[in-house]
Amino acid sequence: KQEVTQIPAALSVPEGENLVLNCSFTDSAIYNLQWFRQDPGKGLTSLLLIQSSQREQTSGRLNASLDKSSGRSTLYIAASQPGDSATYLCAVRRPRGWDDKIIFGKGTRLHILP
Amino acid sequence: EPEVTQTPSHQVTQMGQEVILRCVPISNHLYFYWYRQILGQKVEFLVSFYNNEISEKSEIFDDQFSVERPDGSNFTLKIRSTKLEDSAMYFCASRRVGSYEQYFGPGTRLTVT
Repeated sequence: KQEVTQIPAALSVPEGENLVLNCSFTDSAIYNLQWFRQDPGKGLTSLLLIQSSQREQTSGRLNASLDKSSGRSTLYIAASQPGDSATYLCAVRRPRGWDDKIIFGKGTRLHILP
Repeated sequence: EPEVTQTPSHQVTQMGQEVILRCVPISNHLYFYWYRQILGQKVEFLVSFYNNEISEKSEIFDDQFSVERPDGSNFTLKIRSTKLEDSAMYFCASRRVGSYEQYFGPGTRLTVT
């Protein structure tokens, strides 16, 4: 059974710092991995999606890496800003032909200190 | 940019009542999903729907739950007799054929009292 774990559960860093959020998954047979942002009481905004054949994806100050064989992904945020404060969720999808659901981690709650 | 919409944003209901949560997926998407997130917990898959039938459902999705695509634009989740433990944020998602990226709506917060 696929399990997704995110460490740390919460993180506070001063504005301007670079930071890394970690995600691990137990079954390396995935189709893709997606990072989402969730603001308090709000929906899920997709940040980056990495296909299983890819090693990383970048969007602005965000860079996500994927090491499928070791079951790990990281989300790197450069030059953090107070507006980056949110919960960041990691989620994986099983290979094509398997079930179609996304399995989520519990998230890392990020607080950027002004 | 097209987006998934959900109504209402917040629904309060009494235990035992029926509720219908509504979603309008992105117009050219054919795969639809419901997920839920109990406060402080993970987002959990409930059900997937394609070609007017359920593709997969989780053990959470028991006989109290049903989904429907009543017309060409709406996708609904019905809970027949709500329980306190149904209180959660419910997210609708959709994707198009050929892409496995799911797009999520803003959610409906269901509070059962």
